[in-house]
Amino acid sequence: DAGITQSPRHKVTETGTPVTLRCHQTENHRYMYWYRQDPGHGLRLIHYSYGVKDTDKGEVSDGYSVSRSKTEDFLLTLESATSSQTSVYFCAISEAQFTDTQYFGPGTRLTVL
Amino acid sequence: TQLLEQSPQFLSIQEGENLTVYCNSSSVFSSLQWYRQEPGEGPVLLVTVVTGGEVKKLKRLTFQFGDARKDSSLHITAAQPGDTGLYLCAGGGGADGLTFGKGTHLIIQP
Repeated sequence: DAGITQSPRHKVTETGTPVTLRCHQTENHRYMYWYRQDPGHGLRLIHYSYGVKDTDKGEVSDGYSVSRSKTEDFLLTLESATSSQTSVYFCAISEAQFTDTQYFGPGTRLTVL
Repeated sequence: TQLLEQSPQFLSIQEGENLTVYCNSSSVFSSLQWYRQEPGEGPVLLVTVVTGGEVKKLKRLTFQFGDARKDSSLHITAAQPGDTGLYLCAGGGGADGLTFGKGTHLIIQP
């Protein structure tokens, strides 16, 4: 199994509060991704990173920001959480190319009340 | 925008039966991956196919990539309760990275 951890695994927060989710990898892979998974929508890409300090937007980036200061860590921040951001968030990594096979972390279940 | 349609969306069968799930698109992909996801966990890679017409076997699971690299199928022989899960296909080669289908929810009843 690829060495990917996510923290926290579960979080309940209130509307309007900031939230940061962390993804940590031990594989030294170049690409890292944040997805959200919702019933009826499948996996949707939020943001991705192609190197330290190099990030770009995905399909559903509004309301989210990311940072990558080290190869192994990719942070997802909800500046002001809304109920529509209640979801399961997955981090993924891939080795060399944007379209390489991706390996997923265990997920973070976020509930915004 | 590339889209992947998976069918059926839901499938419930008895242990020991065979089944096939499909992943179809009008777009060409450079590769196609199949993942299985269990409740409360992240998707786990089963296989990657890259050549049109390619067939890969993983124990009782057979994966095929269409000749035109627009579609794929997953066939399970003698399904077991441990095969229960959400099966996702994902196509590579697009400008937006991997394109995921919405998945097939498979339940194998003992």
